[in-house]
Amino acid sequence: DAKTTQPNSMESNEEEPVHLPCNHSTISGTDYIHWYRQLPSQGPEYVIHGLTSNVNNRMASLAIAEDRKSSTLILHRATLRDAAVYYCIRGVNLGGSARQLTFGSGTQLTVLP
Amino acid sequence: ETGVTQSPTHLIKTRGQQVTLRCSSQSGHNTVSWYQQALGQGPQFIFQYYREEENGRGNFPPRFSGLQFPNYSSELNVNALELDDSALYLCASSFGHAGELFFGEGSRLTVL
Repeated sequence: DAKTTQPNSMESNEEEPVHLPCNHSTISGTDYIHWYRQLPSQGPEYVIHGLTSNVNNRMASLAIAEDRKSSTLILHRATLRDAAVYYCIRGVNLGGSARQLTFGSGTQLTVLP
Repeated sequence: ETGVTQSPTHLIKTRGQQVTLRCSSQSGHNTVSWYQQALGQGPQFIFQYYREEENGRGNFPPRFSGLQFPNYSSELNVNALELDDSALYLCASSFGHAGELFFGEGSRLTVL
């Protein structure tokens, strides 16, 4: 199964760090790990992605376990605008230039003021 | 704003009808993917088009078909609509297969 495993929901206080866990124990060596988030009535929004090493961008950090069977998305200071469903996704290469993102059910993040 | 626009935003069809959904990709993007998102679930991959050819497909029947045009815009066609086809249909564009996907806001299809 190509899907990932995430907690259904998490809560965080505003301006505190948030660590969103994800398990992907069946990931293959060439599958990237992607994170997208989705606000109500909107399409998913890219957050970050990586393959083997930890990654940082202006939105978040991605910590990937050495065995690649799990990863953690880190929001350094949660804001109310970060409240969304966060999807941890395997990017499966289908061959050639084709790539399939396999979404799970995601984690609903609630940020408390 | 991702630069990806979809139309129509909402539509209602009856079982057995056919529907065409349209997507205008972000400027410079040559790859378009379509996803189906049922209520309360994550998006499910339908297929991907690269340079006007389908080059990847998820677990969807042949009555789901698509096109990509020379300007990289795209259509999703669904024939013989079923009640379970009711969902949000998302289009995403990217440059090549490794870049981030830029999603539109989707077309909400209701099948009665």
